[in-house]
Amino acid sequence: DGGITQSPKYLFRKEGQNVTLSCEQNLNHDAMYWYRQDPGQGLRLIYYSQIVNDFQKGDIAEGYSVSREKKESFPLTVTSAQKNPTAFYLCASSPPGLGNTEAFFGQGTRLTVV
Amino acid sequence: QKEVEQDPGPLSVPEGAIVSLNCTYSNSAFQYFMWYRQYSRKGPELLMYTYSSGNKEDGRFTAQVDKSSKYISLFIRDSQPSDSATYLCAMIRFKAAGNKLTFGGGTRVLVKP
Repeated sequence: DGGITQSPKYLFRKEGQNVTLSCEQNLNHDAMYWYRQDPGQGLRLIYYSQIVNDFQKGDIAEGYSVSREKKESFPLTVTSAQKNPTAFYLCASSPPGLGNTEAFFGQGTRLTVV
Repeated sequence: QKEVEQDPGPLSVPEGAIVSLNCTYSNSAFQYFMWYRQYSRKGPELLMYTYSSGNKEDGRFTAQVDKSSKYISLFIRDSQPSDSATYLCAMIRFKAAGNKLTFGGGTRVLVKP
């Protein structure tokens, strides 16, 4: 089945550690996105990538890093510089073109700092 | 001020009632308007999208856009308990660096049997 797979579903991190969240898609979509969701604040864009080996900062990129070495994969690293990393992280992808606006979402990774 | 404002709710209605959800926005560059539904601990799924002012219907759902007032709405007729979820409005503006999707904060809806 085509779709977006995020792993793990739940992740616990100690303060001061970096962690990497996985996002893989087999939809052959060019664009991929990472969002953070906090209660009452909707989805906020962290990073997005339109093509392989290229990505742009979103609205809240500080403390995060990404790579896009393959079309199918867009991993997000939450670094120790991110002051409040506990949140629900969502990865999405969308096909290219102005007429293709639908973003398909994964099921999310809930990150908790302990 | 946020670019997209949405009442967080919760909005509680009896089964069969009409659910009315709204978002306002400040940036006239937004061109596409979408509504997503998100069940607890799940990723959002697209319900409807539109790009022009006016109404668009899909089954029990009607999306309404008023670009002059920078206001969009989603109506759910004959609401069911399975409609209980968080509803997110989203808007997109096309940029050379890539299309940027901006979300509202979401409204939590509870349909009581």
